[in-house]
Amino acid sequence: GESVGLHLPTLSVQEGDNSIINCAYSNSASDYFIWYKQESGKGPQFIIDIRSNMDKRQGQRVTVLLNKTVKHLSLQIAATQPGDSAVYFCAENRYGGATNKLIFGTGTLLAVQP
Amino acid sequence: DTGVSQDPRHKITKRGQNVTFRCDPISEHNRLYWYRQTLGQGPEFLTYFQNEAQLEKSRLLSDRFSAERPKGSFSTLEIQRTEQGDSAMYLCASRPHVSAEAFFGQGTRLTVV
Repeated sequence: GESVGLHLPTLSVQEGDNSIINCAYSNSASDYFIWYKQESGKGPQFIIDIRSNMDKRQGQRVTVLLNKTVKHLSLQIAATQPGDSAVYFCAENRYGGATNKLIFGTGTLLAVQP
Repeated sequence: DTGVSQDPRHKITKRGQNVTFRCDPISEHNRLYWYRQTLGQGPEFLTYFQNEAQLEKSRLLSDRFSAERPKGSFSTLEIQRTEQGDSAMYLCASRPHVSAEAFFGQGTRLTVV
């Protein structure tokens, strides 16, 4: 398949701390990236996106950093809350002929300890 | 429009039976995707529609799988002669254009017994 990763990395943080979740992508031609949050039994939910002509974008309590040189994305969550506990996926927008699709990376399980 | 809708939410079927899932995308979105997700993994791309045209199918989509989007609105995914390995969450997503977020439905959880 086109999603890589059989093992789910886990990040455990204390409530109120900042969280940093990392992701490596594979295609240097990808021009658009998205972070999704997925809670158990639900579909992925959009958090924040970034285009390849940017290296940083901020939202409410979240920041995405893009390093195209090493093909790396990170998601920073400020003042992590118990409701942030979920699996987080990065996705890259990949083009091929007439089509385009989102390719998902290995998820990271964020566990927030109260 | 409240988002992408999938039906049913859960489906249990016996091995060898056929199943069909439905996806209703956000109404103004002409791009529709099907993904499959197994436990502990990210969603895997299955197929892509632009309006009614199916423009790409993953090699994951065997001959037992077929997807349609006859009028460029809702889509169906059919699995014939289900196998236990088909057990997964099947996700549908839609987006208005190529460089925009994809909105996902809540998925259909298939269990083949």
